[in-house]
Amino acid sequence: GAGVSQSPSNKVTEKGKDVELRCDPISGHTALYWYRQSLGQGLEFLIYFQGNSAPDKSGLPSDRFSAERTGGSVSTLTIQRTQQEDSAVYLCASSAQGQEKLFFGSGTQLSVL
Amino acid sequence: DAKTTQPPSMDCAEGRAANLPCNHSTISGNEYVYWYRQIHSQGPQYIIHGLKNNETNEMASLIITEDRKSSTLILPHATLRDTAVYYCIVRVDNAGNMLTFGGGTRLMVKP
Repeated sequence: GAGVSQSPSNKVTEKGKDVELRCDPISGHTALYWYRQSLGQGLEFLIYFQGNSAPDKSGLPSDRFSAERTGGSVSTLTIQRTQQEDSAVYLCASSAQGQEKLFFGSGTQLSVL
Repeated sequence: DAKTTQPPSMDCAEGRAANLPCNHSTISGNEYVYWYRQIHSQGPQYIIHGLKNNETNEMASLIITEDRKSSTLILPHATLRDTAVYYCIVRVDNAGNMLTFGGGTRLMVKP
């Protein structure tokens, strides 16, 4: 694809529901990152995948958050039992092997009511 | 990754050059200087990066001091669309870990 694609672009959910956010990285990119950004705040790192290595999950805020990357390509970020403080823009980025130039998607705006 | 320090905000007149400074006094020899920007409601966008030589591309120029302890991102003719938060990041290539964004500089281009 031409760039990193995220879906949905907007998601409104009720407190306590589970949500899944999807990221399609640029074809051939081995590294994939998830960040979130609350309104008016900076980027908060969540999780990082690099090739077949174990993911770096050190940024996940709680055990309600998990992420998978299937076949080294598409990634899904799952938030279980959503809370209002989970409301934010969730951004995905990818980069090629050995490069630190990240390409970001447009993000998913999550609103938990 | 080495720590960077940037002013929290700057103003620039439309059409003038915007010079955004970044201090990275603890940079090591194999760390690159990267610049990204984030325009409101969009994901961050890569601008430019360099190791020790000055770099220029269609978006900006990057000037790195000889001792590499600081750098300046130059937008030669700022437009209103350049209003954004600009992030300076220092990082080795093939770092194999997450890329951390600091607070950045909020650049406001004014007519």
